[in-house]
Amino acid sequence: NAGVTQTPKFQVLKTGQSMTLQCAQDMNHNSMYWYRQDPGMGLRLIYYSASEGTTDKGEVPNGYNVSRLNKREFSLRLESAAPSQTSVYFCASSEALQGPGSYNEQFFGPGTRLTVL
Amino acid sequence: SQQGEEDPQALSIQEGENATMNCSYKTSINNLQWYRQNSGRGLVHLILIRSNEREKHSGRLRVTLDTSKKSSSLLITASRAADTASYFCATGPTGANSKLTFGKGITLSVRP
Repeated sequence: NAGVTQTPKFQVLKTGQSMTLQCAQDMNHNSMYWYRQDPGMGLRLIYYSASEGTTDKGEVPNGYNVSRLNKREFSLRLESAAPSQTSVYFCASSEALQGPGSYNEQFFGPGTRLTVL
Repeated sequence: SQQGEEDPQALSIQEGENATMNCSYKTSINNLQWYRQNSGRGLVHLILIRSNEREKHSGRLRVTLDTSKKSSSLLITASRAADTASYFCATGPTGANSKLTFGKGITLSVRP
């Protein structure tokens, strides 16, 4: 099993360009997440999908859109990239969200390093 | 908003020593998790402790949870150079359909 895969690994964009980050998991997980990691800021949740067919905003959704294409795939789109979006992006998945009787670890992909010039 | 806050921010120890890292949080939790991140890689789950548990072990890892103080500690015994990484605590709030909230992380350096 590959776990969580992300493409591309590295990307350089010019301000205003668009791109889509792809994520796929082969663990039959219901929930998927997109985070960004910046120095000194830890991980911040951009968007998440509790289950196939649903998506919700996280802590820092502005400038991003997502698509839960099917149970396996969850993509993140930057419509008009800005230098403030320079970051490392991680996709993650889990069996389900947290809750009473629901204790779920997250599995992370290797990340995409994005630079916006 | 950040729920868990790790302490210290950075820790440097000699191989063979024990490493203790702390995490404090503000609101009630369902569970608390610790993750490791090696340089340039994704996070890897280490251990999960439920809110009704006080201590948990996994190999050289020992996690404690004190819900009255809203704090947790991660102890790595007999550290190795390969333990050099960043460590994050993540809290799962009470309530249905909650998401984990990650702290900013602790950088651990283990000197050979």
